[in-house]
Amino acid sequence: RKEVEQDPGPFNVPEGATVAFNCTYSNSASQSFFWYRQDCRKEPKLLMSVYSSGNEDGRFTAQLNRASQYISLLIRDSKLSDSATYLCVVNIAGQNFVFGPGTRLSVLP
Amino acid sequence: NAGVMQNPRHLVRRRGQEARLRCSPMKGHSHVYWYRQLPEEGLKFMVYLQKENIIDESGMPKERFSAEFPKEGPSILRIQQVVRGDSAAYFCASSPAISYNEQFFGPGTRLTVL
Repeated sequence: RKEVEQDPGPFNVPEGATVAFNCTYSNSASQSFFWYRQDCRKEPKLLMSVYSSGNEDGRFTAQLNRASQYISLLIRDSKLSDSATYLCVVNIAGQNFVFGPGTRLSVLP
Repeated sequence: NAGVMQNPRHLVRRRGQEARLRCSPMKGHSHVYWYRQLPEEGLKFMVYLQKENIIDESGMPKERFSAEFPKEGPSILRIQQVVRGDSAAYFCASSPAISYNEQFFGPGTRLTVL
């Protein structure tokens, strides 16, 4: 089993749609969780950290379920500019960061 | 506060040559990570370094690849005797002293091996 798994994608959605990304991780000692986005041929950029209580940043909501070792990202009212690959990332303190394979999103006009 | 800097941004090498990729972390960051991304694939962890120490090199090929992060100066990823399969984007990231903070990425170096 891979350390971090994500929905295979791609997701093609119309503008204004709500889209949810799912991620699972295998190492129960994981302590920090993040969502990054990566545009084509660009570096990954931090979208948001994920906290145990869940957190929201504008149209983006992240949830963490430690018992199920599951992380989610919800994007509401999607925009064309949201088109990118979304990467789930987990970290164990003192060790490296593990990136999921990513899920590609295309928001269509 | 400058972000993570990588140079060169593009590097072309012929098979058998050496490639040296440099990464300067964000100011105040003492942790550096190197990743490789093949076309249409995800990021693959290579190595994690702190100043003068390799913490985790489990993702780095045993041969031809080496990395360092000296006390002074940038981190260097060195690839000896490059082959066509080394063609990829190489990203460097840095994080503050506490390693479980988020990482910040540089723009990457695109290596092309002819």
